[in-house]
Amino acid sequence: AQSVTQLDSQVPVFEEAPVELRCNYSSSVSVYLFWYVQYPNQGLQLLLKYLSGSTLVKSINGFEAEFNKSQTSFHLRKPSVHISDTAEYFCAVSPLSGGSYIPTFGRGTSLIVHP
Amino acid sequence: EADIYQTPRYLVIGTGKKITLECSQTMGHDKMYWYQQDPGMELHLIHYSYGVNSTEKGDLSSESTVSRIRTEHFPLTLESARPSHTSQYLCASSEPGPGDTQYFGPGTRLTVL
Repeated sequence: AQSVTQLDSQVPVFEEAPVELRCNYSSSVSVYLFWYVQYPNQGLQLLLKYLSGSTLVKSINGFEAEFNKSQTSFHLRKPSVHISDTAEYFCAVSPLSGGSYIPTFGRGTSLIVHP
Repeated sequence: EADIYQTPRYLVIGTGKKITLECSQTMGHDKMYWYQQDPGMELHLIHYSYGVNSTEKGDLSSESTVSRIRTEHFPLTLESARPSHTSQYLCASSEPGPGDTQYFGPGTRLTVL
């Protein structure tokens, strides 16, 4: 079984400031790691994912996340946020083996960007 | 354009009514899912399907049922709605491959009075 902990329920930040959204997980097996974003009144959409290889993964809109196996973390960062980044961010993991790949989601972190 | 659709987007009904939440996808994905989402809580998987005529219950006990008669269609039915069913319901499908990236619909916000 897997579990995901997002340590911050809400992160307020000013526009153009850097931000880090924290995610830790626990699992008895190796996992794939995901960040999804949910804008107001929309469903979730994939932001980025780690499957294998380089532990640093990047999205097209400036976010990046680094897989740290020893700390079982997958924190999401952006060096300079925009108003349009205001959204709910969900960390998720799914097992490498077993065939089902059904993800386990965290409780979400609400990123609020102020002008 | 490939997409996943949910109707209705918002629904307010009285206790005891039977309702069906619709979900359709145009991506040809075999795997589909229903999640329940409440503020500040994890997404809870309530049903999933690996293809036509395949349905399974998720980790959250639910009084709802699902059917999968066509690949593109995965409706969820509540036979008798109660106030405890008030929630956001998200439908998703996933593409085959490592990790099975999920694609979500916009959700149905259900309020049972």
